[in-house]
Amino acid sequence: EAGVAQSPRYKIIEKRQSVAFWCNPISGHATLYWYQQILGQGPKLLIQFQNNGVVDDSQLPKDRFSAERLKGVDSTLKIQPAKLEDSAVYLCASSFSAGPGNTIYFGEGSWLTVV
Amino acid sequence: TQLLEQSPQFLSIQEGENLTVYCNSSSVFSSLQWYRQEPGEGPVLLVTVVTGGEVKKLKRLTFQFGDARKDSSLHITAAQPGDTGLYLCAGQNTGGFKTIFGAGTRLFVKA
Repeated sequence: EAGVAQSPRYKIIEKRQSVAFWCNPISGHATLYWYQQILGQGPKLLIQFQNNGVVDDSQLPKDRFSAERLKGVDSTLKIQPAKLEDSAVYLCASSFSAGPGNTIYFGEGSWLTVV
Repeated sequence: TQLLEQSPQFLSIQEGENLTVYCNSSSVFSSLQWYRQEPGEGPVLLVTVVTGGEVKKLKRLTFQFGDARKDSSLHITAAQPGDTGLYLCAGQNTGGFKTIFGAGTRLFVKA
């Protein structure tokens, strides 16, 4: 079974530039998550989709971050304009559903460095 | 806001030693999971516990969910260098739709 695919794997941009990350979840998984993981910290949920609807985006900095999941499959996360503090690993994950005890499967992450 | 606090933050031990890491919260969770993350990779699920007081064993790893479903522990017996990694606990709220992660315990096992 193919895992969660993410691209690009690494990205270096200057502050105030924009960047987009792409995620293809495991086939059949209705729930898709974007997490931000800053070095030395645990993953922080940015946004959670159930099919193509947003379940939780309470920690998404909406003035600069946006995400969409068209057709309930692939998803993109965009940052514009980027700040130095956005340097982190952006983890996409998916699960069959969002119920208790569901296994969340993570991609390898997209590493962003803002200089 | 639900928070999960993990301790210790960092642990460096010799091969063969035993260790316990903790995950605590003031909130009740419907289930709690432990993940392990290796450098350059995403977290991978180790175990899910759903019942207060539940104990699960996975080879040399023993996981326990507190009676009140607010805390959990992970005990590793006879640690090996392959156990090195970041151990994350993740709690799912009583509605079951949101999973939050602790900051993790970074374990280094020296040969």
